[in-house]
Amino acid sequence: QVQLVESGGGLVKPGGSLRLSCAASGFTFSDYYMSWIRQAPGKGLEWVSYISSSGSTIYYADSVKGRFTISRDNAKNSLYLQMNSLRAEDTAVYYCARVNYGSPNDWGQGTTVTVSS
Amino acid sequence: DVVMTQSPLSLPVTLGQPASISCRSSQSLVYSDGNTYLNWFQQRPGQSPRRLIYKVSNRDSGVPDRFSGSGSGTDFTLKISRVEAEDVGVYYCMQGTHWRWTFGQGTKVEIK
Repeated sequence: QVQLVESGGGLVKPGGSLRLSCAASGFTFSDYYMSWIRQAPGKGLEWVSYISSSGSTIYYADSVKGRFTISRDNAKNSLYLQMNSLRAEDTAVYYCARVNYGSPNDWGQGTTVTVSS
Repeated sequence: DVVMTQSPLSLPVTLGQPASISCRSSQSLVYSDGNTYLNWFQQRPGQSPRRLIYKVSNRDSGVPDRFSGSGSGTDFTLKISRVEAEDVGVYYCMQGTHWRWTFGQGTKVEIK
């Protein structure tokens, strides 16, 4: 079965950096677009970024463009999100998701990022 | 960006009764390939979101048939034919037609 396991979250000061990882299993990772979606405490869902199966096509939400970088390693079945210049408003649970039929289908359990001094 | 507007934002329902959630987009969600990439997600308390419906009306595997999606263009609806206790949670619509994906604000479904 499809399994997505995020890691790398934690507490970081404003202006700091974090790298999130998502380990995928149970499907042919290199065949699928992947996405990061976040949810601030007590708030709704916000799409962050997605990447094509080969990594050649990437899109970002305006709120993270220029600060976050999505990438993938198909040999390692892994998805990444490098987050720089972090702000308090980036505090959220970050979900990794497999894209199927044009939207996130399978989701991980999420990893929590807290940006605070 | 395409704005997704859900109503109502809170929906108290009686067990066994139907429920309906509306979602409107600020632009047409018909893509150049003819498909409409409007999706519905359920998030139960303390859980990750789960997709229920993709491309307006297609139920994902394992989703009970009491859930149905309909609509076209800019107006869409999620219906639950008979609400069960396990349906409590927040429901989100999401558009994937325009490359900056956007979600609705969420509708909280609770039992009266």
